[in-house]
Order: sequence, then structure tokens, then C-alpha cells
Amino acid sequence: GENVEQHPSTLSVQEGDSAVIKCTYSDSASNYFPWYKQELGKRPQLIIDIRSNVGEKKDQRIAVTLNKTAKHFSLHITETQPEDSAVYFCAASGSYQLTFGKGTKLSVIP
Amino acid sequence: NAGVTQTPKFRVLKTGQSMTLLCAQDMNHEYMYWYRQDPGMGLRLIHYSVGEGTTAKGEVPDGYNVSRLKKKQNFLLGLESAAPSQTSVYFCAISAGDRYNEQFFGPGTRLTVL
Repeated sequence: GENVEQHPSTLSVQEGDSAVIKCTYSDSASNYFPWYKQELGKRPQLIIDIRSNVGEKKDQRIAVTLNKTAKHFSLHITETQPEDSAVYFCAASGSYQLTFGKGTKLSVIP
Repeated sequence: NAGVTQTPKFRVLKTGQSMTLLCAQDMNHEYMYWYRQDPGMGLRLIHYSVGEGTTAKGEVPDGYNVSRLKKKQNFLLGLESAAPSQTSVYFCAISAGDRYNEQFFGPGTRLTVL
């Protein structure tokens, strides 16, 4: 089955700096790669996703890149703000199941 | 339009007790999922359903049973004999079941087994 590795497990950045979270996947058949943000005590919420026919996608301060050859994808957050502090999960899907990474706890220091 | 709801929000059980968690949706999505979330482990799939009357095992199915009856908006997760290892936060998720599996999560149920 699919295996998703996510790094780093924790990340601290100064407010205004950029943050990058990286994931690798094992199944070359995977074609959908969402990112979820989970605030403390809340449900995971989809913040951005990318499909296998696209190399990059942007939404305001958030961007995701996908390298299908290397089987890795990354989340980029620019101009970080304190409200970006949360746990971020990547995931990969080739069918109707999502396989999640173990999460990255991002702390933005004011 | 509530999306995905879960009942109960919190529960404390004693070892050996049984309980059922309910997931309900009003989006008419075909696919429904149960995950558990433990610290440092991410989200792990317990069971899922791709339509009314169908269920399948995920990554960590042992100790759980599920049912999705005629009312396809509901997906039940049962613990027949709870164990402390089942202390976790349980999330239900739904998906339209199209080519790309965008999933929407419920608010979660925090379960403690003593």
C-alpha cells in the first residue's frame, strides 16, 4: 500500500518568514495530494490540494509543488503569521483512500 | 447545512464496555470513513464505506466494527469490548467518490477508555 513520509515533525519560524514542509510517497499510481491544517482541538481542514497533472498550485500565501518523478510534494507558506500555527498533514491518494503523513507542528513566533 | 456531524463529542468508558459512535452527513456523499488520531501518528484509517450497505477494512480495523445501512447518510463505528489502547480521537470523513478523493472531516469524538 501507499506510504507517506513527512518532514520535519516540528518547525519554528519567525513571523514573516517562510515555512516549507516536505512529503514523499511510495505509490506511483497516486494522483491526488491534499494538505490539511489542524488547529488545537479542531478537525483537519483542507487548505490546498494538487492533482498529478499539475506541477504547482498557489492560493494567496500558500503554494504546493509536486515532483512526480521523485515522488515528493511540498507545502510552502510565505509571510507567516501567528494564526498559521497549527499541525499540517500531507496525504496521497490513488483511489478512494487517503494515506496521511504523521504531521508537522508549525509554530510561528511573533 | 451542517456538513458532517459526530455523536457524542466526548465519552469515557471502562475496559470491556461497548459503545457506538455515529457519523451523519447532509451532503449526500457516497464515501464515508472512520479514522483515529493518536499523538505523533497522524490519521489512520479504521474502516470505510463506498456506498449504502458496503464496508471495508482500513489500516487499523481490529477491535472495531462498522455499519452503513439503508440510510446512507449515517455511518456507525462500534467498539464491542473497549480497551485502553482504543483511547483516541475519532474522526469521520466524507467524500463524493469522484476521481479525486477530497475528504471533509467531522468535528471528532474524544474517547477515553479506563
